[in-house]
Amino acid sequence: GDSVTQMEGPVTLSEEAFLTINCTYTATGYPSLFWYVQYPGEGLQLLLKATKADDKGSNKGFEATYRKETTSFHLEKGSVQVSDSAVYFCARGSQGNLIFGKGTKLSVKP
Amino acid sequence: EAQVTQNPRYLITVTGKKLTVTCSQNMNHEYMSWYRQDPGLGLRQIYYSMNVEVTDKGDVPEGYKVSRKEKRNFPLILESPSPNQTSLYFCASSLFRDRGVDTQYFGPGTRLTVL
Repeated sequence: GDSVTQMEGPVTLSEEAFLTINCTYTATGYPSLFWYVQYPGEGLQLLLKATKADDKGSNKGFEATYRKETTSFHLEKGSVQVSDSAVYFCARGSQGNLIFGKGTKLSVKP
Repeated sequence: EAQVTQNPRYLITVTGKKLTVTCSQNMNHEYMSWYRQDPGLGLRQIYYSMNVEVTDKGDVPEGYKVSRKEKRNFPLILESPSPNQTSLYFCASSLFRDRGVDTQYFGPGTRLTVL
């Protein structure tokens, strides 16, 4: 069935470091792709999304590009901040639901 | 303010005592869903609903019931809770478009402990 695989954490970075969190998805159909973020003690919030191949989603300095040829949607940020510490979930749309990866915990140290 | 609300936010109960977690959205979304979040397992879908009176099983429906009598509400019912249902539960809602589920909006979560 459809699935999403993202890199396992935790990921620990220093402030201002470059961030990449890898995400790949099964290629059934032409799904929309999403990154959600969960801050400590809160629900999930949409961070960015892309709905078709080569689209780039961006928000709060984060970016991800829908790569159909590699079935990937990697999350990047050029300079992370302590406030970016959270769990990040990659997800793909499916007809009846969203399919989530297992999440990657990011900790950013001052 | 557009939002998804869940109640209660925290609940400690005992095995076998029926409980209901309510979920309500004010965005007129057709689609609603329940997830549970467990360490190392990510989010797993319990049930979803594409519209009033239309519900379907997700990946882990055993031990749960849902109903969708009104568009805005989608309660999750545990008829006889067991300790393995101790988890963090999220309700979500979304518009439903031709290509499938659109961006989902999540509630704040309900932390359930079953003793």
